[in-house]
Amino acid sequence: NAGVTQTPKFQVLKTGQSMTLQCAQDMNHEYMSWYRQDPGMGLRLIHYSVGAGITDQGEVPNGYNVSRSTTEDFPLRLLSAAPSQTSVYFCASSRGARTYTEAFFGQGTRLTVV
Amino acid sequence: DAKTTQPPSMDCAEGRAANLPCNHSTISGNEYVYWYRQIHSQGPQYIIHGLKNNETNEMASLIITEDRKSSTLILPHATLRDTAVYYCIVRVASRGGADGLTFGKGTHLIIQP
Repeated sequence: NAGVTQTPKFQVLKTGQSMTLQCAQDMNHEYMSWYRQDPGMGLRLIHYSVGAGITDQGEVPNGYNVSRSTTEDFPLRLLSAAPSQTSVYFCASSRGARTYTEAFFGQGTRLTVV
Repeated sequence: DAKTTQPPSMDCAEGRAANLPCNHSTISGNEYVYWYRQIHSQGPQYIIHGLKNNETNEMASLIITEDRKSSTLILPHATLRDTAVYYCIVRVASRGGADGLTFGKGTHLIIQP
């Protein structure tokens, strides 16, 4: 049971570079989301999706893009990396609203922008 | 989602019960109480949730007061592996999970040997 898989686990970027953080789940979950966690803080929602083809912004969406072309995958794109985007990024998935019990999280991607 | 208040840190001796409080005085009738924990910067892990009745599973028990304005997560026999940040989250279940759990700073529980 893979659950929620995030790649890469670690990444160093230079300011201005772009990259895509990958997230895949094998539980046929409808809902997927991306969070960032800064040191000593709780997680903050970046973007989320309630199904293939549907995405919406969370609390801190600026500088990030998402798309959801399949149920399994929900990649997060950094358009032009900035030092303020240095953080740990978590992807999560859960079943749809009427059957919700819990969200499953990946192990995180640790991103440093220099 | 209703706001929650948790102590920033707590200690507990290994083998004893760990009782983690959470205040949610503005909770509304259709909001559930959820608990997650995060061990050493890993991804958060679901523990338990409840509406108004006490709940128990293999990990923990959740006690919700009759007026639902506060709750307590109980880890019955804490081990060193239970050292983590514990988050109390209140939300409407019908909104699902991955569309936005609101994480505060949680309680850093330290289990002492």
